[in-house]
Amino acid sequence: QKEVEQNSGPLSVPEGAIASLNCTYSDRGSQSFFWYRQYSGKSPELIMSIYSNGDKEDGRFTAQLNKASQYVSLLIRDSQPSDSATYLCAVKAPDSWGKFQFGAGTQVVVTP
Amino acid sequence: DTAVSQTPKYLVTQMGNDKSIKCEQNLGHDTMYWYKQDSKKFLKIMFSYNNKELIINETVPNRFSPKSPDKAHLNLHINSLELGDSAVYFCASSQASWEPAGGEQFFGPGTRLTVL
Repeated sequence: QKEVEQNSGPLSVPEGAIASLNCTYSDRGSQSFFWYRQYSGKSPELIMSIYSNGDKEDGRFTAQLNKASQYVSLLIRDSQPSDSATYLCAVKAPDSWGKFQFGAGTQVVVTP
Repeated sequence: DTAVSQTPKYLVTQMGNDKSIKCEQNLGHDTMYWYKQDSKKFLKIMFSYNNKELIINETVPNRFSPKSPDKAHLNLHINSLELGDSAVYFCASSQASWEPAGGEQFFGPGTRLTVL
C-alpha cells in the first residue's frame, strides 16, 4: 500500500465549477499536510498547509482534514483555466525531521 | 530576489560521468532537501539537511553524495552516472521542519538530468 494516495486523474472540470481532490495517507500519527500545485515543466508551489481537523480556506482554495479517516482534500472554487495543473498532496511523517511523503499527484484540467 | 535557486537547469551527460548540482536558498531556512522526480512525476525525497547536518538519507545509492557547506547551500554530487539517474532533481528548503505543525517547503526550479 502506498503511503500517500491520490487519484491520478485527469480530473476534468468546467470553468467556474468546483474541483474536488482527495488524498489518503497510511500513517495515523501524521500531523502536517500540504497541497502543492505543479505546472508542467515547473517546480511544485505550495498552495496550502493544514494541521488541524476541519476546514481551512485561502481565497478560492479550501483544504479539509479528517485525521480519524486519514484523508485530506482540496477544493478549488470557481475553477479557472489557470488552475490546470497537477496537484500534489504531501504528508510529513510523524516524529521526523522533515521526512515528507508525496502522492503521485492529481492532474486537473479546467475546460473553458 | 530568487528564493531557492539551482544550477544548472539542464544537464546532459554520458553514462559513467560524474556531475554536480548546486542549490542555494536566501530564505533563512534551517532545512534543505533534495528530491528526485521521475518520468511518472512521482516526487521522492532523497536527502534532508538541517543546519548543515544530514538528517534524512532515504536509501539512495552511495553514488549520490550531498554536501552542505553552510545552511544556505546544499549541493549534490553524483558519481558514475547511470541511465536510471535521468530525472528532474529538485532542491527545497523549509523552516521548522522538526515541529509537528511545520515544514512548508519552497522548491527550486529543478535540474533536468539526462544520462545518455
